[in-house]
Amino acid sequence: IAGITQAPTSQILAAGRRMTLRCTQDMRHNAMYWYRQDLGLGLRLIHYSNTAGTTGKGEVPDGYSVSRANTDDFPLTLASAVPSQTSVYFCASSDSTGGDTQYFGPGTRLTVL
Amino acid sequence: RKEVEQDPGPFNVPEGATVAFNCTYSNSASQSFFWYRQDCRKEPKLLMSVYSSGNEDGRFTAQLNRASQYISLLIRDSKLSDSATYLCVVTVTGGGNKLTFGTGTQLKVEL
Repeated sequence: IAGITQAPTSQILAAGRRMTLRCTQDMRHNAMYWYRQDLGLGLRLIHYSNTAGTTGKGEVPDGYSVSRANTDDFPLTLASAVPSQTSVYFCASSDSTGGDTQYFGPGTRLTVL
Repeated sequence: RKEVEQDPGPFNVPEGATVAFNCTYSNSASQSFFWYRQDCRKEPKLLMSVYSSGNEDGRFTAQLNRASQYISLLIRDSKLSDSATYLCVVTVTGGGNKLTFGTGTQLKVEL
């Protein structure tokens, strides 16, 4: 693995189902982030983690949860998916929380029907 | 008012042209400024940071005007490969490393 990876690449999901989007980085970055990108709205922060064991809410956290059990992994869970969660989801990481460059994963395209 | 505003475009320019994008931000406590590039159906990637003194990287020049709260990106001698969406990004003092993105400006460079 080089950089940051996400899985799955795309998914079609029935409303009400539970779904976990996976994100893994091998850069030993302390901070990780989840964004969603919707047409006309740009990227919006869902949740973030400044270091393993801590998480925080972003701009649009409702309906999503995260965990950060270790440095490398930062999964995003939709407990009960709704159509408004149809979006492209990007995971990102940065070395610190002091204005460092964020590196993005390739994204997951999620469609909730 | 959006925290970061950009003209969505598209800007259609011929190869070799010079093109400039502007971006305005509403929070005067904004601390760090960046331009990211995003290709169609791909992830955003950092193009360049924007410093108060202005900075240049090859054909790309970024400038910051704190008094007027805007950021600019100038691309000289446009290439076909410059076609992408350019995202203006800011962080806020005390906000950790949480980025606020503009919706992006689409550039199409044509033959």
